[in-house]
Amino acid sequence: EPEVTQTPSHQVTQMGQEVILRCVPISNHLYFYWYRQILGQKVEFLVSFYNNEISEKSEIFDDQFSVERPDGSNFTLKIRSTKLEDSAMYFCASSAYRAVSYNEQFFGPGTRLTVL
Amino acid sequence: GENVEQHPSTLSVQEGDSAVIKCTYSDSASNYFPWYKQELGKRPQLIIDIRSNVGEKKDQRIAVTLNKTAKHFSLHITETQPEDSAVYFCAASGEGGSGNTGKLIFGQGTTLQVKP
Repeated sequence: EPEVTQTPSHQVTQMGQEVILRCVPISNHLYFYWYRQILGQKVEFLVSFYNNEISEKSEIFDDQFSVERPDGSNFTLKIRSTKLEDSAMYFCASSAYRAVSYNEQFFGPGTRLTVL
Repeated sequence: GENVEQHPSTLSVQEGDSAVIKCTYSDSASNYFPWYKQELGKRPQLIIDIRSNVGEKKDQRIAVTLNKTAKHFSLHITETQPEDSAVYFCAASGEGGSGNTGKLIFGQGTTLQVKP
């Protein structure tokens, strides 16, 4: 069964550094998402992406964040200047359709980001 | 803004008993309601979902009910087993704002412990 994959599984960085989190969505999917989960808390929506542009972003997704689909398979989340409060598990998800239509969102295994 | 409230935050049951987790949502335009199971350190896994055109859906020991008028939906697990122990998240498709991006708004999670 096809799965969403993410790399790295764990990223440790110094405050102020840039990080890029990578995701490979399921190949025939068209809608891509990033969520984050601070340890012990709920999953929070960051951004949705369709047709090579951001569809919607949350208040968390400020100008320090950006997303890109550099080729036909990868979907990346960049944090330009990391802060301590960016430490969280970041999940990528993809779906063939918008959730309201018919299909579920499939989540990747996550990247645990630790900012020191 | 959109919000999903989930109760209880923790639930402990004896093996074989039933477990019920309840969620309420604020955005009356939401019409897709998935439930995810998350084991420690792993990705959220979809276990069941319901769309607003039905009031109930069942899959073996798991069932979900939806009351659109009251903006409530619930997860029912019967004949619980120790392997059901995990954190369960409800979510609603956030249809607010321009367009429909399919973003999921998650509840706070319920830690279910099934005692053998």
